[in-house]
Amino acid sequence: DGGITQSPKYLFRKEGQNVTLSCEQNLNHDAMYWYRQDPGQGLRLIYYSQIVNDFQKGDIAEGYSVSREKKESFPLTVTSAQKNPTAFYLCASRPGTGMDEQYFGPGTRLTVT
Amino acid sequence: GQQVMQIPQYQHVQEGEDFTTYCNSSTTLSNIQWYKQRPGGHPVFLIQLVKSGEVKKQKRLTFQFGEAKKNSSLHITATQTTDVGTYFCAGPNYGGSQGNLIFGKGTKLSVKP
Repeated sequence: DGGITQSPKYLFRKEGQNVTLSCEQNLNHDAMYWYRQDPGQGLRLIYYSQIVNDFQKGDIAEGYSVSREKKESFPLTVTSAQKNPTAFYLCASRPGTGMDEQYFGPGTRLTVT
Repeated sequence: GQQVMQIPQYQHVQEGEDFTTYCNSSTTLSNIQWYKQRPGGHPVFLIQLVKSGEVKKQKRLTFQFGEAKKNSSLHITATQTTDVGTYFCAGPNYGGSQGNLIFGKGTKLSVKP
């Protein structure tokens, strides 16, 4: 089955801890994205990567970090510097140039207390 | 900066009634995309419109792209309980890399059986 997987679905952490969210895709897509979704809000872009070993900050990158060592994987670390980390995190991928639609993973709901 | 606005934010309808959500962009768009997110789920790509004045249909869903390519609408005829969810429009983010999207905040549709 081709698709995007995110794990875990629910994640609980104590304040002050870093946490890494997994995102894997077997669609052979070049571009990958991380979004944050808060209730009543749209999707806000955290980081994106167009190719392996390259990534760029999105609109709300502060307190987050990413890596793109493999085409299939784009993990997101929520650091203790993120002031309000509780949210629904969505990973997405896009086939490549000329194909604009994005395909989303099932998301990880992170709760930090 | 570039903005994509959607109205209404919420819509409650009786099953069988029609529903329309509107999307307005602050800039002319080369294309516009629509996504649906079921409660507890992730956004799923529905359609992309590219041409000025374009109208596309998917069963009971009708999508329109305005003549000036700055607005779009999604109309659902005779809603069903399966239509429940949040509908997002998205356009290219011209302040970012190719392929980046800017999303509206969505219209949350509830359907009373």
